Amino acid sequence: DAGVTQSPTHLIKTRGQQVTLRCSPKSGHDTVSWYQQALGQGPQFIFQYYEEEERQRGNFPDRFSGHQFPNYSSELNVNALLLGDSALYLCASRNSGSQTQYFGPGTRLLVL
Amino acid sequence: TQLLEQSPQFLSIQEGENLTVYCNSSSVFSSLQWYRQEPGEGPVLLVTVVTGGEVKKLKRLTFQFGDARKDSSLHITAAQPGDTGLYLCAGAENFNKFYFGSGTKLNVKP
Repeated sequence: DAGVTQSPTHLIKTRGQQVTLRCSPKSGHDTVSWYQQALGQGPQFIFQYYEEEERQRGNFPDRFSGHQFPNYSSELNVNALLLGDSALYLCASRNSGSQTQYFGPGTRLLVL
Repeated sequence: TQLLEQSPQFLSIQEGENLTVYCNSSSVFSSLQWYRQEPGEGPVLLVTVVTGGEVKKLKRLTFQFGDARKDSSLHITAAQPGDTGLYLCAGAENFNKFYFGSGTKLNVKP
């Protein structure tokens, strides 16, 4: 049983560009959350998707958007990239009836 | 700004020593979780505590949730090099939105 998978593993973009990150949840999980982890910091909650809708949102601008597909996989989109968007982006999945979330290995984004 | 403050930020100890890591907040959480994260990987859940005053033990790790459900501690007995990693606490709001601390980076030297 594969755990949470994310793609790509690494990405380099320039300021102003747009990026899409992808996440496949663990089998049987219907809830996906996205986090941003800057170097030396803990993860910061971006948003959570359940039943293909954004259910909770952290303190992130509208440049950060997402989507959840019928198979529960999810995408994180970031528009108009800033240098400060450089970070490790983590996806976590869980079953909606459980508090236990499982994290993927993350996508490391570097904005130049 | 981190809602949860963890201390210490860094800890370097010898194998066999004991240590305690603290997680404090002015907010009340529905539950609190502890994770360990290794370089190049996502955090891995160690424990979830829900009830104020709750104590959970996992082998050499002891977790405590404060009576007011605002703070928590993690105590490791007889640390081993395999315990090395970044320890993160996360408070849950309505079991849905998780706020993470900035972490304690632990290094256990053989």
